[in-house]
Amino acid sequence: GDSVTQMEGPVTLSEEAFLTINCTYTATGYPSLFWYVQYPGEGLQLLLKATKADDKGSNKGFEATYRKETTSFHLEKGSVQVSDSAVYFCALAHAGTALIFGKGTTLSVSS
Amino acid sequence: EAGVAQSPRYKIIEKRQSVAFWCNPISGHATLYWYQQILGQGPKLLIQFQNNGVVDDSQLPKDRFSAERLKGVDSTLKIQPAKLEDSAVYLCASSLGVPGNEKLFFGSGTQLSVL
Repeated sequence: GDSVTQMEGPVTLSEEAFLTINCTYTATGYPSLFWYVQYPGEGLQLLLKATKADDKGSNKGFEATYRKETTSFHLEKGSVQVSDSAVYFCALAHAGTALIFGKGTTLSVSS
Repeated sequence: EAGVAQSPRYKIIEKRQSVAFWCNPISGHATLYWYQQILGQGPKLLIQFQNNGVVDDSQLPKDRFSAERLKGVDSTLKIQPAKLEDSAVYLCASSLGVPGNEKLFFGSGTQLSVL
């Protein structure tokens, strides 16, 4: 069945460092791809999404590009802040079906 | 706009006991989901409702778990009897229309500890 694989965490960075969190997927057809984020003490919330190959999703300085040829959707940010500390989940969904999540990657940013 | 409401926030029970969780989705959202999130793992879908009909319950352990969505609004998830491995956070989410590329809105979850 479909699945999502994320890089193991935790990822520990200093403020203003460059962030990459790797995500690859296995799926039939052409799913939509998502990044959700869970800040400490809060519920999961959508960070960004892409619905077709070569689309780039972006939000709050984060970006991810849907790469069909490498079945990847890596999350990047040029300069992280302490407030970006959270757990990040990569996910996919086909039309009419629920999200399938990866295991999550914990990001810790220190000042 | 009010978000997805869940209660209780925490629940501690002993194995073989029963427990129920409640979810009130965002008003007007047709699709409602229950996910189970075990510590260190991503959320796993238990059941998906479209209005008050079940769309997908393929991963729901039906010998002990049950869920209903009355009148297409609120939903309850029940575990009877609970096992140690049911310790997890139970997340409710809703979306406006048919899922696929829709944004899901999540509640804060119910953290269940089975002793």
